[in-house]
Amino acid sequence: EVQLVESGGGLVQPGGSLRLSCAASGFTFSSYWMHWVRQAPGKGLVWVSRINSDGSGTSHADSVKGRFTISRDNAKSTLYLQMNSLRAEDTAVYYCAAGSGTRGDYWGQGTLVTVSS
Amino acid sequence: QSALTQPASVSGSPGQSITISCTGTSSVVGTYNLVSWYQQHPGKAPKLMIYEGSQRPSGASNRFSGSKSGNTASLTISGLQAEDEADYYCCSYAGSGTLVFGGGTKLTVL
Repeated sequence: EVQLVESGGGLVQPGGSLRLSCAASGFTFSSYWMHWVRQAPGKGLVWVSRINSDGSGTSHADSVKGRFTISRDNAKSTLYLQMNSLRAEDTAVYYCAAGSGTRGDYWGQGTLVTVSS
Repeated sequence: QSALTQPASVSGSPGQSITISCTGTSSVVGTYNLVSWYQQHPGKAPKLMIYEGSQRPSGASNRFSGSKSGNTASLTISGLQAEDEADYYCCSYAGSGTLVFGGGTKLTVL
């Protein structure tokens, strides 16, 4: 059974940092592109970052560029998102997704990040 | 990254067909045939329904179909069922390894 389990969310003050993890199982993690997608409360989906299968290429949305870094450890089948200089507008449920290229075939259940003082 | 434009809401009766549009720029939807469609029920993770414009993954109902004309992609759901009531999002490759989502469409089954 394919599983993606996010962790690391929580309450953080503006300007703070957080590292999200996404543990994968049930599929060949190292063969898939991975994405982070977020959803603010009551709002739509927003693409955040992606990394290709071997970690050699990454992209980030303009809204997080320079503050967020996506990475992966294929030996541990785990995806990460390092989030620095957090702002109130970063408050959202963060989903990780695995896909063949640009699509998201498998999704986790999400982890909530709340940025507030 | 420019967002994709979707209608905020659509509705239909059981058994009917509905279509949700997703309009982008010529440099996004018009250039790449890499539009995906996702279904999201309240409190749940998104589910892939269509990829590469018109391809259906295993596990997605064959009542769902996708198409593209110019800068607009479309998702059609035929034989509407109560379980189809959900939010639907289009997503397109936008170049340089980036993706962009539409604002989402709430489907109500009357």
